[in-house]
Amino acid sequence: GDSVTQMEGPVTLSEEAFLTINCTYTATGYPSLFWYVQYPGEGLQLLLKATKADDKGSNKGFEATYRKETTSFHLEKGSVQVSDSAVYFCALDAGNMLTFGGGTRLMVKP
Amino acid sequence: SQTIHQWPATLVQPVGSPLSLECTVEGTSNPNLYWYRQAAGRGLQLLFYSVGIGQISSEVPQNLSASRPQDRQFILSSKKLLLSDSGFYLCAWSTPGGRETQYFGPGTRLLVL
Repeated sequence: GDSVTQMEGPVTLSEEAFLTINCTYTATGYPSLFWYVQYPGEGLQLLLKATKADDKGSNKGFEATYRKETTSFHLEKGSVQVSDSAVYFCALDAGNMLTFGGGTRLMVKP
Repeated sequence: SQTIHQWPATLVQPVGSPLSLECTVEGTSNPNLYWYRQAAGRGLQLLFYSVGIGQISSEVPQNLSASRPQDRQFILSSKKLLLSDSGFYLCAWSTPGGRETQYFGPGTRLLVL
């Protein structure tokens, strides 16, 4: 079946550091890929998405490129801020269902 | 614009008590609706989804049930809560059909004591 694997957290960075959160997936067909973010005490929000191979999703300084050859969708940001501290979920969409990874907690220290 | 509401925001219930969590969506018709659970330290687990009134599909066997009495209303219930039911419950909606983005509600934090 479909599955999403994320790097385990927590990831702790200093402000302005470079961020990479790895995400790889297993799916039949050609899924859409997503990153969701969950700030403390809140529900999930869509951060970015990509619907086909080589697409790059971007939002709020975050980027992720749909790599079909490596079945990956790694999340990157060049300079993180304290306000980026949250849990990040990678997900794929096959039909009507979203399959989520386990989430990666990011902690950014001033 | 579309909005999704969940209530209550926080709930503390004793073991064995009943549960009813409500989710409503505004600004769209015939949405697909979903219930997820996020347990402490774990990822999201899809519990139920619905493509229409009275149509409920369950992803995992459990102590919970779901109902969709109206087009934009989705209810999560239990007759007797277990300690393991504690967690963060998220409702989401999407437009009909596949490959669409899901939009999440603010969530309900449930603590079963």
